[in-house]
Amino acid sequence: QVQMQESGPGLVKPSETLSLTCSVSGGSVSSGVYYWSWIRQPPGKGLEWIGYIYDDGITKYNPSLKSRVTMSVDTSKNQFSLNLRSVTTADTAVYYCASVGLGEHDFDYWGQGNLVTVSS
Amino acid sequence: QSALTQPASVSGSPGQSITISCTGTSSDVGGYDYVSWYQQHPGKAPKVMIYDVSNRPSGVSIRFSGSKSGNTASLTISGLQAEDEADYYCSSYTTSTTWVFGGGTKLTVL
Repeated sequence: QVQMQESGPGLVKPSETLSLTCSVSGGSVSSGVYYWSWIRQPPGKGLEWIGYIYDDGITKYNPSLKSRVTMSVDTSKNQFSLNLRSVTTADTAVYYCASVGLGEHDFDYWGQGNLVTVSS
Repeated sequence: QSALTQPASVSGSPGQSITISCTGTSSDVGGYDYVSWYQQHPGKAPKVMIYDVSNRPSGVSIRFSGSKSGNTASLTISGLQAEDEADYYCSSYTTSTTWVFGGGTKLTVL
């Protein structure tokens, strides 16, 4: 069973870059079996899909965030990462990493979430 | 892409049944049978309860069921229990090969 855990700073200043990493165990980020996704949830609000990366570097992003998002995979550490540039207070949220199985369309495994606050 | 539309809240008494709707467009809910439903308790990560409109993952109670008609999907919980009190989110794969979530529904068990 795949397990995931997010890590990264809990506080980011406005206009800077938010960087998070998701460490994966119980599965390989380069196995080609999963789409590795990021999803966020502002405090007290709903979920928003940010995007995914597939093991060979294929990415797909939410059109509303596409201009500021980059995702990458580090196969040597079995991790994948999220960079969100030029953040504002509206980017304050719990950020989850999650997986979608190849040929599937639901998020079956989730990390526990990482709260990132954007504030000066 | 716009968020799918869910009622903000629903409630029911123990033992009763409730239904949560999730309305989208022909580009998401109506385009594929790829609607999933997630249960989220406070401070916890979401958990998939229904996938591909009406399929239950292993370990999910048979009290949870899903359906779809046109651009609207529904989650029904029968025999309500106190532990069902949580937020519920629908999600759909889209014709743009992205995903979109609903705004969430707070279920209160009276």
